[in-house]
Amino acid sequence: QLQLQESGPGLRKSSETLSLTCTVSGGSINSGSFYWGWIRQPPGQGLEWIGTIYYSGSTYYNPSLKSRVTISVDRSKNQFSLKLSSVTAADTAVYYCARHGDGGFSSGWYDYWGQGTLVTVSS
Amino acid sequence: EIVMTQSPATLSVSPGERATLSCRASQSVNSNLAWYQQKPGQAPRLLIYGASTRATGIPARFSGSGSGTEFTLTISSLQSEDFAVYYCQQYNNWPPGYTFGQGNKLEIK
Repeated sequence: QLQLQESGPGLRKSSETLSLTCTVSGGSINSGSFYWGWIRQPPGQGLEWIGTIYYSGSTYYNPSLKSRVTISVDRSKNQFSLKLSSVTAADTAVYYCARHGDGGFSSGWYDYWGQGTLVTVSS
Repeated sequence: EIVMTQSPATLSVSPGERATLSCRASQSVNSNLAWYQQKPGQAPRLLIYGASTRATGIPARFSGSGSGTEFTLTISSLQSEDFAVYYCQQYNNWPPGYTFGQGNKLEIK
């Protein structure tokens, strides 16, 4: 059974960089069959797509966040990571990592999700 | 950016009854639409993709329909575990990327 687990600091100060890692178990990022993404959800609000990465390192970012986002992959550790720079209180959210459906980037639905991790940005 | 609008924001239905949730796209997304269920404190759960294909393990009482700009999620006979928030998501449009609706809250009447 595929499992994803987010990890990283739960508290950041304004202007700092948020860094999270997603560890994949029960399957390999290197298989090449799937894309991997980050989604966030501010408290009490809806979902926002942050970006997506392929095992080769190809990335796709939400244009509204693109200037601050970097997603990378570490194939040796079966992990992918998110960095969001210059955070503000508006970046306070539960951050989820997830796997795209089978079939490549056009399979843009998410069939496996991590449990999510709350990151709070304080001033 | 494609804007996804869900209605109603909140729907009150009795167990055993049918629930119909709507999702409208600001421009055509063809059939590139997914539905998710989210319960408090949990990650979203994929229900439907391709507008009408049930994900693995999803009960047959969940069905999706529509194409273009108008989509519907129907739950034929509500069970107690179905009361949750439901989100639609389009994945047709790159760039600029994927967008979600604001959610439908399904509550017990």
